[in-house]
Formats: sequence, C-alpha cells, structure tokens
Amino acid sequence: DSGVTQTPKHLITATGQRVTLRCSPRSGDLSVYWYQQSLDQGLQFLIQYYNGEERAKGNILERFSAQQFPDLHSELNLSSLELGDSALYFCASSQDSPYGYTFGSGTRLTVV
Amino acid sequence: AQSVTQLGSHVSVSEGALVLLRCNYSSSVPPYLFWYVQYPNQGLQLLLKYTTGATLVKGINGFEAEFKKSETSFHLTKPSAHMSDAAEYFCAVSDRGDTGRRALTFGSGTRLQVQP
Repeated sequence: DSGVTQTPKHLITATGQRVTLRCSPRSGDLSVYWYQQSLDQGLQFLIQYYNGEERAKGNILERFSAQQFPDLHSELNLSSLELGDSALYFCASSQDSPYGYTFGSGTRLTVV
Repeated sequence: AQSVTQLGSHVSVSEGALVLLRCNYSSSVPPYLFWYVQYPNQGLQLLLKYTTGATLVKGINGFEAEFKKSETSFHLTKPSAHMSDAAEYFCAVSDRGDTGRRALTFGSGTRLQVQP
C-alpha cells in the first residue's frame, strides 16, 4: 500500500457521459498530481494541485477538470467522454520537495 | 521543454545476466532524474532518483543508475537479473525550477523480459 488511495479501481461508462475519479493523498502530502496512461500517448501529466490551488497544468483537455478540497483529497472530472479517453488515470502525491512522489494504483477507465 | 528518450521499448535478458536500460534526457539545465517500475495492473513505484551529489545512485531491488551530464544520460543497471524484475520501467525528469512545480516528464517506457 503506497498510501495514495484512488477510487474506483475500474470504471466502465458510455460515450458522452461524465465521471469523477477520486484521490486521497498520502498523509502530510500537500501536492496532488494527475496523470493519464494510454497505449498511444504513454504517461502524460494532466494537472497539479498544491494545498487546494492549481499549480501546474499539462496536457489536460478542456473537457477535463480537477479540484483539491480542504481535506486535500482531489477529484478529476471527465466529461463528454470519448472512446479515446479510455486509459489508466493515476494520482500521485508529494510534499513540496524535489524527491519524487508516490503513485496510487490507478483507476482504469473504459469508455464504450 | 524537457524530453526523455528511452532506447528500446522491449529488452529481453536471461536470468542472471546484466540488465541495462537506457535513458537520455533533453533539458536546458540538468533536471532531477528518476526511474520508476510498473508491474502489471499496478501503479508506479520509485526505484531510484538523482537530485544532487554523487552521480552513481543506488536504488531498491539491486538497481543503480549513473548520471552522466556530458552524455545527458541516466542509464539503469542491475548486475544480475531475476525473474521478478520483469516489468515496465520508466525514466522520468522533473524541473529544478519553481519550487513546487514538480510535474514529471516520462519516457515511453521499456518492457523488461527475463528468460529462465
């Protein structure tokens, strides 16, 4: 157990729908990062939150959004889903240091 | 912009043989460097990292990597492969810049197969 909890582990939904992925960071970690892993794009950084505020943005589509709540858990919202959004979505958390961070086990999203 | 190149999407070695996974980065200043391992249906686990100091870095499970600034490389090695090392390995970099902006840029990954 890495200490980073992601729910749900698996999600199957239809095109056009909206889903919410949840991440609870490791205790004491203020930063949360979201990554997408797909066969064609590899591991792509989506967005980072630090203590409730957006800190950095990567290749996140406009249909996707995220937020970090006062208890530091984060949610990634994916809307108007397309088949190409099928991927593994990882959350990672860290303290404010350069020493890498801890990944959750991911949410596998399948859009049918 | 940073980029990471991992040479060889698939590497196959015999059990007991040397493992060498290659990683080259492109960055205006030497970044922080990481190797992660991903076992099937699992998340990414940090193997080792280079931030500063000694350029030969030892990690978990007998892996090590050497930062070579002149070659912009951070190759991962293990003297003797074990069956349990079969997994996908990712090299990654992050910026030394703004405190807190630590997003990782990943390479495309190398799948390591270990033959008995």
